[in-house]
Amino acid sequence: DAKTTQPTSMDCAEGRAANLPCNHSTISGNEYVYWYRQIHSQGPQYIIHGLKNNETNEMASLIITEDRKSSTLILPHATLRDTAVYYCLVAGNNRKLIWGLGTSLAVNP
Amino acid sequence: GAGVSQSPSNKVTEKGKDVELRCDPISGHTALYWYRQSLGQGLEFLIYFQGNSAPDKSGLPSDRFSAERTGGSVSTLTIQRTQQEDSAVYLCASHRGNQDTQYFGPGTRLTVL
Repeated sequence: DAKTTQPTSMDCAEGRAANLPCNHSTISGNEYVYWYRQIHSQGPQYIIHGLKNNETNEMASLIITEDRKSSTLILPHATLRDTAVYYCLVAGNNRKLIWGLGTSLAVNP
Repeated sequence: GAGVSQSPSNKVTEKGKDVELRCDPISGHTALYWYRQSLGQGLEFLIYFQGNSAPDKSGLPSDRFSAERTGGSVSTLTIQRTQQEDSAVYLCASHRGNQDTQYFGPGTRLTVL
């Protein structure tokens, strides 16, 4: 079973921030939080990952709670091309990512 | 540089036939994964290769499935005596030795009639 839980679907208006939550209450101390997305008919694409500090890159920001039991992926200015399924995963040394069903994000004009 | 490539992009076969799916990982990536994704589902782990270590085959659904990685680079996933339930997109991913960021290929869509 996946070690994370995410809402099945979300909507966001174009140009607004999209905030995608993820619960990982059983995360271990050495496990990272990873976010990927999958646009229809393509392979998953890496977005960002973090251990305990908040992270930001050119695609998104990752906010991890102090107890590390949940995190939020933030797309600051969502565009129509951000419509995709977003997967939150945790992984440690065994590197065998267990994929759930993710959140289907629809960005609406 | 070049990303992960997979071939063929689409494969239609008849039930009972054998198929081979190919993955070319990113040059220098020592780790390689195979996943399967059925329609509307998440990714199902199949097998993991890391350098010269014995592969982790714990995700292979039956003994009809096998995979090899030659010379630490190209990998082939073989499905023998295909069944209709094998129809799915088969995805390959690679990453550097101590990096968990996986880079995915475009997948092979397998349809078993």
